[in-house]
Amino acid sequence: AQSVTQPDIHITVSEGASLELRCNYSYGATPYLFWYVQSPGQGLQLLLKYFSGDTLVQGIKGFEAEFKRSQSSFNLRKPSVHWSDAAEYFCAVGNNNAGNMLTFGGGTRLMVKP
Amino acid sequence: EPEVTQTPSHQVTQMGQEVILRCVPISNHLYFYWYRQILGQKVEFLVSFYNNEISEKSEIFDDQFSVERPDGSNFTLKIRSTKLEDSAMYFCASSATSGPPQYFGPGTRLLVL
Repeated sequence: AQSVTQPDIHITVSEGASLELRCNYSYGATPYLFWYVQSPGQGLQLLLKYFSGDTLVQGIKGFEAEFKRSQSSFNLRKPSVHWSDAAEYFCAVGNNNAGNMLTFGGGTRLMVKP
Repeated sequence: EPEVTQTPSHQVTQMGQEVILRCVPISNHLYFYWYRQILGQKVEFLVSFYNNEISEKSEIFDDQFSVERPDGSNFTLKIRSTKLEDSAMYFCASSATSGPPQYFGPGTRLLVL
């Protein structure tokens, strides 16, 4: 069965500092990996996705993530965090079949200190 | 930019009552999904729907749940007889025929009293 683990429930960083949110997955086939962000009162917005090819993928809002098959990880990074990045971040795994379910991690809540 | 919309944003209901949650997927998408997130827990898949049929469903999606595409734009989730444990945020999502990613709506927060 597929699963996703986000080890950090809460993370606090200072504005301007770098950020890395961890995601580990368990999946029997080639995974399709996603990061979503949820701001208060908002839905889940897609930040970036990995399907194949270059293992470093760029997303919106200056985020990037690196797929490491050997570590079953897909960590999200940002070089310089802005106060508006405070939100909850979800990693998810699925496959390439249209209609297939996504399995989500538990989320990491990011707080940004001024 | 096209968005998935959901109504209502909040709903309060009494245990045992029926509720219908509504979603308008992105217009050229043909795969539709419902997920839910109980407070403090993970986002969980409920069901996927394509060509007027359920494609896949989780064990959560039991006989009290049903989905429907009543017209060309809406996609609904009906909970027939709500229980306290149905209180959650319900997310609708849609995707194109070519596959992922799925695009999510803002959610409906359901509270069952």
